Amino acid sequence: GAGVSQTPSNKVTEKGKYVELRCDPISGHTALYWYRQSLGQGPEFLIYFQGTGAADDSGLPNDRFFAVRPEGSVSTLKIQRTERGDSAVYLCASSPTIVSSDTQYFGPGTRLTVL
Amino acid sequence: AQRVTQPEKLLSVFKGAPVELKCNYSYSGSPELFWYVQYSRQRLQLLLRHISRESIKGFTADLNKGETSFHLKKPFAQEEDSAMYYCALSSGGSNYKLTFGKGTLLTVNP
Repeated sequence: GAGVSQTPSNKVTEKGKYVELRCDPISGHTALYWYRQSLGQGPEFLIYFQGTGAADDSGLPNDRFFAVRPEGSVSTLKIQRTERGDSAVYLCASSPTIVSSDTQYFGPGTRLTVL
Repeated sequence: AQRVTQPEKLLSVFKGAPVELKCNYSYSGSPELFWYVQYSRQRLQLLLRHISRESIKGFTADLNKGETSFHLKKPFAQEEDSAMYYCALSSGGSNYKLTFGKGTLLTVNP
């Protein structure tokens, strides 16, 4: 079946603008995760959803970042007043349940560039 | 705080040679360890996890709690093994967050 999809694949924006990044998880997967990967680094956890609720948003760097998953499926990561330091690849992953041994399936990522 | 260290940014070997990608972790409890791989122009995917004690594509990894290591090994590297490898840790149980190392780029030369 289809894997995790993310749109857009690339996003270029100007400093100070607002952006939305979309994630479509594997159908039926309860858990959805967002990670951010800066150049030369491994992915860093941002936020995790169990169903519709954000179960843990401790990785969000500041209040400019917000994510929603209103119907327990698609999720949107929203970044307000973008800064050049927000430039990174934003990865979404989903897994069948919340058990840590469950495989997290990653999407292809959205490359965000803030000019 | 949990941390994963991959000391080698780059690793280059010849086809048929043994390969070992190092991973050390810092965590006070009983973590779960994973290796993820990203081939060129593909998405990040799970290679193996320590609880499964499995060999995938000829790779194995043993969790050494005394040395807090989870090194990835393969006795005979193949060109198709060339990829970026990430070691990752989660706290176990219902703790879902993965903490990743910075990754090691493995190049297998013909």
